[in-house]
Amino acid sequence: DGGITQSPKYLFRKEGQNVTLSCEQNLNHDAMYWYRQDPGQGLRLIYYSQIVNDFQKGDIAEGYSVSREKKESFPLTVTSAQKNPTAFYLCASQRASRSNTEAFFGQGTRLTVV
Amino acid sequence: GIQVEQSPPDLILQEGANSTLRCNFSDSVNNLQWFHQNPWGQLINLFYIPSGTKQNGRLSATTVATERYSLLYISSSQTTDSGVYFCAVVHPYNTDKLIFGTGTRLQVFP
Repeated sequence: DGGITQSPKYLFRKEGQNVTLSCEQNLNHDAMYWYRQDPGQGLRLIYYSQIVNDFQKGDIAEGYSVSREKKESFPLTVTSAQKNPTAFYLCASQRASRSNTEAFFGQGTRLTVV
Repeated sequence: GIQVEQSPPDLILQEGANSTLRCNFSDSVNNLQWFHQNPWGQLINLFYIPSGTKQNGRLSATTVATERYSLLYISSSQTTDSGVYFCAVVHPYNTDKLIFGTGTRLQVFP
């Protein structure tokens, strides 16, 4: 089945550690996105990528990094510089960002700092 | 930037009731989607509806782009409809990102 796969589903991080969240899609979509959701809140954009080897900061990029070496993959690293990383992280993809097309989401990764 | 407001913020229904959720946006949009976030956090696509009316089973949606609002109708609600409903838009001058509304939390009781 085509879709977006995020892993792991749950992730625990110690203070000061970097962790990487995986996002893979087999929809042949050009654009991919990372959003953060805090409890009871909406989604805020962290980073997005419209094409391989290119990405842009969203509204809350500080403390995060990404790479886009393959069309199918858009991993997000939560660095130790992120002051409050505990949140639910959602990855999305879209056929092309500058077109009127539908965006689809993965199942999310719940990150907790212990 | 564009503002996206949803109402009501919370809605409690008994099974079988109908409801209307509203999404207002402050500027013209290229793209509008409705999502249902289930209790496990997954965002499920309901409608891609930048304009017009669509129906899918007990759910339907209408977007009046010229008046900057969209409505999601849920008929004969079921407990499985519980969750948070989000609308999300793309602004024509900033087409790189989907901007989410504030959400409506729906609870359906048997």
